[in-house]
Amino acid sequence: KQEVTQIPAALSVPEGENLVLNCSFTDSAIYNLQWFRQDPGKGLTSLLLIQSSQREQTSGRLNASLDKSSGRSTLYIAASQPGDSATYLCAGFSGGYQKVTFGTGTKLQVIP
Amino acid sequence: EPEVTQTPSHQVTQMGQEVILRCVPISNHLYFYWYRQILGQKVEFLVSFYNNEISEKSEIFDDQFSVERPDGSNFTLKIRSTKLEDSAMYFCASSEQGESYEQYFGPGTRLTVT
Repeated sequence: KQEVTQIPAALSVPEGENLVLNCSFTDSAIYNLQWFRQDPGKGLTSLLLIQSSQREQTSGRLNASLDKSSGRSTLYIAASQPGDSATYLCAGFSGGYQKVTFGTGTKLQVIP
Repeated sequence: EPEVTQTPSHQVTQMGQEVILRCVPISNHLYFYWYRQILGQKVEFLVSFYNNEISEKSEIFDDQFSVERPDGSNFTLKIRSTKLEDSAMYFCASSEQGESYEQYFGPGTRLTVT
């Protein structure tokens, strides 16, 4: 059974700092890994999807990498802004494409 | 930009009552999903739906739950006899068929069972 863990659970950084969020998964037979952000009381906004044949994806200030052999994905946020404050979730897709396991989330606070 | 919509945004119901949560997936998407998130806990997969039938379901998705695509646009989740522990945020998602399985989530329906 796939387990997905995110470290740290919470992170507070000053505005402008670059930061890395970590996601670990136990089953390397993963098809895709997707990063989301969730604002309090809101739905999930898709940030980046990395397919199993890819090693990284970039969108604006965000860069996500995937290393299936080590069971790790990282989300790099450059030049953080207060608007980046949210909970960031990673989700691993395995076992038939449609099944997904979410991580525990990292709550990010960017201080102005 | 196309988006997944869900109604209602908040549903309050009494224990034992039936509820139907509604979703309108993105129009050209073929795979549909329901997830739930109990307050303070992880998002959990409930069920996936393709070609008018369930493709996968989790252990949570027991006989109390059912899904339906009653017409060409709506996708519903029915809970037959709600329990207190069904109180959660329920998210609908959809994805295109093909190599990209990026899932797009709706804003959620908060279900409160009293």
